[in-house]
This record gives sequence, structure tokens and C-alpha cells, in this order.
Amino acid sequence: EAQVTQNPRYLITVTGKKLTVTCSQNMNHEYMSWYRQDPGLGLRQIYYSMNVEVTDKGDVPEGYKVSRKEKRNFPLILESPSPNQTSLYFCASREQGLNTEAFFGQGTRLTVV
Amino acid sequence: SQQGEEDPQALSIQEGENATMNCSYKTSINNLQWYRQNSGRGLVHLILIRSNEREKHSGRLRVTLDTSKKSSSLLITASRAADTASYFCATDADSGGYQKVTFGIGTKLQVIP
Repeated sequence: EAQVTQNPRYLITVTGKKLTVTCSQNMNHEYMSWYRQDPGLGLRQIYYSMNVEVTDKGDVPEGYKVSRKEKRNFPLILESPSPNQTSLYFCASREQGLNTEAFFGQGTRLTVV
Repeated sequence: SQQGEEDPQALSIQEGENATMNCSYKTSINNLQWYRQNSGRGLVHLILIRSNEREKHSGRLRVTLDTSKKSSSLLITASRAADTASYFCATDADSGGYQKVTFGIGTKLQVIP
């Protein structure tokens, strides 16, 4: 089954404690991205990757890092989480090129206290 | 600012009625997509309409696109309680050499049985 898998689904952590949210897709998609969703703001792109070892900032990259060492994996790293990073996070993947749909993971609800 | 802006932000209808949601955007696009999100879960792709298309159907869904007005609408006919969800439009546009997908804030649809 084609899917994007995120882990963990829920996470409560303390300010400053480094964490990683994993994302894996089994569709051999070149393009992967991370979004955060906040009430009244919709989905905002954090980082994206067009292929292995190619990553770039989205609209709200501050406080986040990513890596793309393998095509299937695109982890999101918060080196020093802060309460303003409390949010619902989504990983998505799609084929490169025009007119392709995005496939989303189930989301990670992160709370930073 | 958001590329796509949905209207209304919330909509409540009776089962069996039609639901219409609108999306406006600001720049030229390659395509426009509609996604559905059940509460707190990942987004699911519904339909994609290319910039050179004016109307598209998929089951009970009908999407129109007016590029001169930079707007789109999603019509769900004969709504069901299971259609209760948030609906997002997403615009796919060229941005610095890659196709960037930008989401709106969404329309929250409630279908009352």
C-alpha cells in the first residue's frame, strides 16, 4: 500500500530537548516536504527536498533542520524546541514534475512545554 | 500571505444538500488541487484541475476553475454526514525553479444528519 509514515504520532517534550520526527515513503517519490498546521494559519511549508541531498527552506524554516540521505526518508529535526513550535506536523511526498498529487502522513502532534 | 484563500471558513448544512466552497489565489498557477482533512488527520487528495481546464468531475465532486478571476470552487452534491471534514485548496505554481504547492486556510464543513 502506498503510504507516508510519520513517527511518533504524539509527542510531549520540554523546551530545549532535541527531537527528531521521522518520515518515510514507499512510493519512490523524489519530492518530500514538511508542513506545520496551526489554527487559522492553514498549512505552512517548513522545508522541502527535491531529491537525495537536495533540501531547501520553505516559508517557516526557523528552528528546524532536515536531511535527505536516502530517497525514502526525510526526518525533521528540532535542535532546541521552543513552545512556539507546538503544532501539528505533516510530512508529504509526491512525484517530481507538473500535475502530481501529494500524499500526506497521518501527522505528528507536538507539544513543547 | 496564503496563496489560496477559502471561503467560507465554516459551513454547516443538512444531509442531502449541496455544499459549495470557494478558493481565490493571487498568482499564475500550473494547477489547483483540493484536499480533505478529517479532524487532526492527514490530508487526502480529492481532485486536481489543470490551469487549462475549466471544470472537472469526480463522483459527487465538481470543481471549476476560472483563471481570469483566479478562483476555483468545489461543489459536493447530495452531502452525507461522512463528508464532514475540512477542505483545503492548494495551488501549484512555479517558484524559483520548482513547483511549489501552497495551501489555504481551509473550509470546515459540517453535514448534519
